[in-house]
Amino acid sequence: QKEVEQNSGPLSVPEGAIASLNCTYSDRGSQSFFWYRQYSGKSPELIMSIYSNGDQEDGRFTAQLNKASQYVSLLIRDSQPSDSATYLCAVNPRWRRALTFGSGTRLQVQP
Amino acid sequence: DTAVSQTPKYLVTQMGNDKSIKCEQNLGHDTMYWYKQDSKKFLKIMFSYNNKELIINETVPNRFSPKSPDKAHLNLHINSLELGDSAVYFCASSTDRNTEAFFGQGTRLTVV
Repeated sequence: QKEVEQNSGPLSVPEGAIASLNCTYSDRGSQSFFWYRQYSGKSPELIMSIYSNGDQEDGRFTAQLNKASQYVSLLIRDSQPSDSATYLCAVNPRWRRALTFGSGTRLQVQP
Repeated sequence: DTAVSQTPKYLVTQMGNDKSIKCEQNLGHDTMYWYKQDSKKFLKIMFSYNNKELIINETVPNRFSPKSPDKAHLNLHINSLELGDSAVYFCASSTDRNTEAFFGQGTRLTVV
């Protein structure tokens, strides 16, 4: 089982729709969870952090965490073509003192 | 002001050569990292330093040697470069292991 799993996509949504990105993780003791956006040829950029069960909202982005199900998701409302990128889920496992990343989901927002 | 900066941005070199990548952060963070992103875009931790102390050394060949002269700098030296070392290497920093990491712009290493 991979430590952090994501569907590689591509996930294609029309402009203005809600994009839903999902991530599962294996270490039940993980305490911090992050979503990064990476444009082609660029570095990962932090867009959301979440530390406790429930929802965390920031503008058009909502991160959702369910520790019992070991599941993190990212919702992007009113998707724009500029949101087209690879979204990386990152988790901080108890046993490793660094972020562990999923392989990323490529999102394509169609104009 | 660039928060995490690494140099060079591009590095093309021949097999067998030795090269270094430098990283500096001006965020006042205590922890710095080297990550490797392969051709499939998978981002994998290589090393982590906390206040100049090595705390993570993943299964990386001995040809890779990190050095942290102070908590704001982390360098990566690679000996006897191989074709398989071609990748993008990212430096990152964070306040501590449980907080978000901020990434440098990456160094694209191509070994020919």
